[in-house]
Amino acid sequence: SYELTQPPSVSVSPGQTVNITCSGDALGQKYVSWYQQKTGQSPVVVIYEDTKRPSGIPERFSGSNSGNTATLTISGTQATDEADYYCQAWDSRTWVFGGGAKLTVV
Amino acid sequence: QVQLVESGGGLVKPGGSLRLSCSASGFSFSDYYLAWIRQAPGRRLEYISYISARSEVIYYGDSVKGRFTMSRDNAKESLDLQMNNLRVEDTGLYFCARVETSRGYDSSFVDFWGQGTLVTVSS
Repeated sequence: SYELTQPPSVSVSPGQTVNITCSGDALGQKYVSWYQQKTGQSPVVVIYEDTKRPSGIPERFSGSNSGNTATLTISGTQATDEADYYCQAWDSRTWVFGGGAKLTVV
Repeated sequence: QVQLVESGGGLVKPGGSLRLSCSASGFSFSDYYLAWIRQAPGRRLEYISYISARSEVIYYGDSVKGRFTMSRDNAKESLDLQMNNLRVEDTGLYFCARVETSRGYDSSFVDFWGQGTLVTVSS
């Protein structure tokens, strides 16, 4: 089965830019979505189709996907961005998630 | 606004059964794929089952195939998950989710999630 790999944790200082990666075989040939899940809440999609941002998601969230790696970039990170971030892609029969990356804003 | 409300979770012994339900409102229910997504402690999110708008396609993950049955009633705008022969590893938070599939499977994503219902399988 297809596997998506994320770093377990990432940290950033307030106001800085952070990249959260998601790796998989030929991932650049698939579309990737990204979800934000804050403690005690349901996930929320922040990026879909690699680069698109749903309405209501701040412009500081952006995405890219090439080769074997997709990247979620948060520019001007705020304390409220502290959360778990999951990538997702389609794999022949179903959608699969990465293991999640915990973003800490310190 | 779109709402998905799960119910039916609880504590059950290994080998037991539970039936989860999801009540939907605020959108054209019969136009969308729906899914059950599980979040187990220490494990990644997992699509355990999904169903097409008119039930032509129903998928089960290998971890639940043969034990779980997903169904929907478009007239009642409800979604069910019958879970039999439950195992300890089925413990987790079960989300009902609406899947946006209008541009094909590859570009699909969950655009709305319920709050989840907790299933605990323990002796």
